Amino acid sequence: GENVEQHPSTLSVQEGDSAVIKCTYSDSASNYFPWYKQELGKRPQLIIDIRSNVGEKKDQRIAVTLNKTAKHFSLHITETQPEDSAVYFCAATYGNQFYFGTGTSLTVIP
Amino acid sequence: EAGVTQSPTHLIKTRGQQATLRCSPISGHTSVYWYQQALGLGLQFLLWYDEGEERNRGNFPPRFSGRQFPNYSSELNVNALELEDSALYLCASTNGGGHYEQYFGPGTRLTVT
Repeated sequence: GENVEQHPSTLSVQEGDSAVIKCTYSDSASNYFPWYKQELGKRPQLIIDIRSNVGEKKDQRIAVTLNKTAKHFSLHITETQPEDSAVYFCAATYGNQFYFGTGTSLTVIP
Repeated sequence: EAGVTQSPTHLIKTRGQQATLRCSPISGHTSVYWYQQALGLGLQFLLWYDEGEERNRGNFPPRFSGRQFPNYSSELNVNALELEDSALYLCASTNGGGHYEQYFGPGTRLTVT
């Protein structure tokens, strides 16, 4: 089956700096890559996703890049704000099966 | 549109007992996924149901089981509870197909004493 690795497990940045979280996957058949944000005590919520036929997608301060050849994808958050502090999960999917990374705890220091 | 709902919010059981957790997907969604999230850890895939059938299960012992009803709601049963089963159990639903967002419920916090 698919194996998704996520790094780093924890990340601290100063407010206003950028944050980058990276994920790798093993199954070249995976074709949909969502990112979820889970704030403390809340449910995970989708923040951005990318499909295998696209290399990059942006939504305001958030962007995701996908390198199919290298089988990795990354989440980029620019101009970080304290409310970006949360746990972020990447996932790779094939068909209806979702495989999640282990999560990155992001702390934005005011 | 109502979101994914789960009940109960909290559940306290003693070791050896059975727990039943329930999930109602978003209207029109046919797939339900169950995940275990232990404190400080990631989302561990438990079970996936679609159209009433179990499609896949994660690396969990058989005492974790469930079912999906004709209205697509789902139930997760955990038998012979162990202390390490204490966790947040999340369910998520999709409209089928690997290209659709998973919508998560608020979770059930299971505590085993």
